[in-house]
Amino acid sequence: TQLLEQSPQFLSIQEGENLTVYCNSSSVFSSLQWYRQEPGEGPVLLVTVVTGGEVKKLKRLTFQFGDARKDSSLHITAAQPGDTGLYLCAGGGSNYQLIWGAGTKLIIKP
Amino acid sequence: DAGVIQSPRHEVTEMGQEVTLRCKPISGHNSLFWYRQTMMRGLELLIYFNNNVPIDDSGMPEDRFSAKMPNASFSTLKIQPSEPRDSAVYFCASSYSTANTEAFFGQGTRLTVV
Repeated sequence: TQLLEQSPQFLSIQEGENLTVYCNSSSVFSSLQWYRQEPGEGPVLLVTVVTGGEVKKLKRLTFQFGDARKDSSLHITAAQPGDTGLYLCAGGGSNYQLIWGAGTKLIIKP
Repeated sequence: DAGVIQSPRHEVTEMGQEVTLRCKPISGHNSLFWYRQTMMRGLELLIYFNNNVPIDDSGMPEDRFSAKMPNASFSTLKIQPSEPRDSAVYFCASSYSTANTEAFFGQGTRLTVV
């Protein structure tokens, strides 16, 4: 059974600080997606990484796919209150299935 | 495009009643998913349709749950009879194809069964 473990489960930091969220598995994925979910809304896709070692940047967010395509990280620089939300990683395989992490609840305090 | 549209946004019902959740996927998307999200279990896939055909319903918890997709622009998830443990947020998501797994979610239906 494929599993994706996210850490930390919960993170509360001050505005302006940096943070990293991790997504780890013993399985290889063909792609890794990151979503952000705000209260009362559905998850919204932020980025998809598909190549081992790939790095993608979205403003202050940097996403990296591990060389072996088993893990990924999300780094936020100078966090803002607008970054608050639930961050979910999801691993894609050879078919339609997405394997979801449990999520990291992030709170950025002004 | 308006995105994935779900209705109702909130549903409160009594135990034993039938509940029907509705979803309109993004036009042109061939894959549709129903998910359930709870604090305890996170996001769980209930059923997956491709080209209106149910492909994988292994996540449907019990026979009380059923889902249909009569055409490319409409799907329903029905719970009959409903139980308090069915209380959760139910999401519908669509994606362009089986090969492209990037999912677009609706706003969800928050179901409370009392």
